[in-house]
Amino acid sequence: QKEVEQNSGPLSVPEGAIASLNCTYSDRGSQSFFWYRQYSGKSPELIMSIYSNGDKEDGRFTAQLNKASQYVSLLIRDSQPSDSATYLCAVSEIQGAQKLVFGQGTRLTINP
Amino acid sequence: KAGVTQTPRYLIKTRGQQVTLSCSPISGHRSVSWYQQTPGQGLQFLFEYFSETQRNKGNFPGRFSGRQFSNSRSEMNVSTLELGDSALYLCASSKVASSDTQYFGPGTRLTVL
Repeated sequence: QKEVEQNSGPLSVPEGAIASLNCTYSDRGSQSFFWYRQYSGKSPELIMSIYSNGDKEDGRFTAQLNKASQYVSLLIRDSQPSDSATYLCAVSEIQGAQKLVFGQGTRLTINP
Repeated sequence: KAGVTQTPRYLIKTRGQQVTLSCSPISGHRSVSWYQQTPGQGLQFLFEYFSETQRNKGNFPGRFSGRQFSNSRSEMNVSTLELGDSALYLCASSKVASSDTQYFGPGTRLTVL
C-alpha cells in the first residue's frame, strides 16, 4: 500500500465549477499536510498547509482534513483555466524517517 | 527573502559521465531535500541533509550522492550517468525538519544522451 495515494486523473472540470481533489494517507501519526501545484515543466509551489481537522480556506482554495478517516482534500471554487496543473498532496511521515511523503499527483484540466 | 536557487538550470551529458548539481536554500533554512522527477512519475525522494549530515536517504543506488556545506548550500552528484537518469532534479528547503513546509527551487533539467 502506498503511503500517500491520489487519483492520477486526469480530472476534467468546466470553468467556473468546483474542482475536488482527494488524498489518503497511511501514517496515522501524521501531523502536517500540504497541497502543492505544479505546472508542466515547472517546480511545485505551495498552495496550502493544514494541521487540524476541519476546513481551511484561502481565497478560492479550501483544504479539508479528516484525521480519523486519514484523508485530506482540496477544493477549488470558481475554477479557472489557469488552475490546470498537477496537484501534489504531501504528508509528514512520523514513523521511521521524519520527512514529507508526496503522492503521485492528480492532473487537473479546467475546460473553458 | 530570496527563494531556493538551483544551478545549472539545464544540463546535457552523455552516458558514463558524472554531474554535480547545486542548491542554495532560503536564508535561515537548514534542511535541504533532493528529489528526482521523471515523466509520469511522482517525486522520488533522494536524500535530505541537515547541518552537513545526511539525515534521510531514499531508495537510489550509490551513484547518487550529496553533501551539505556549513552555509546550508547543498550539492548532489550522480556518477556514471545512465539514460534513465534523465529527469528534473528538484531541491527543496525547510527551516529545520524536512517534515516542515518545503519550498522548492526551479529544478535542474538533466538530459543524458
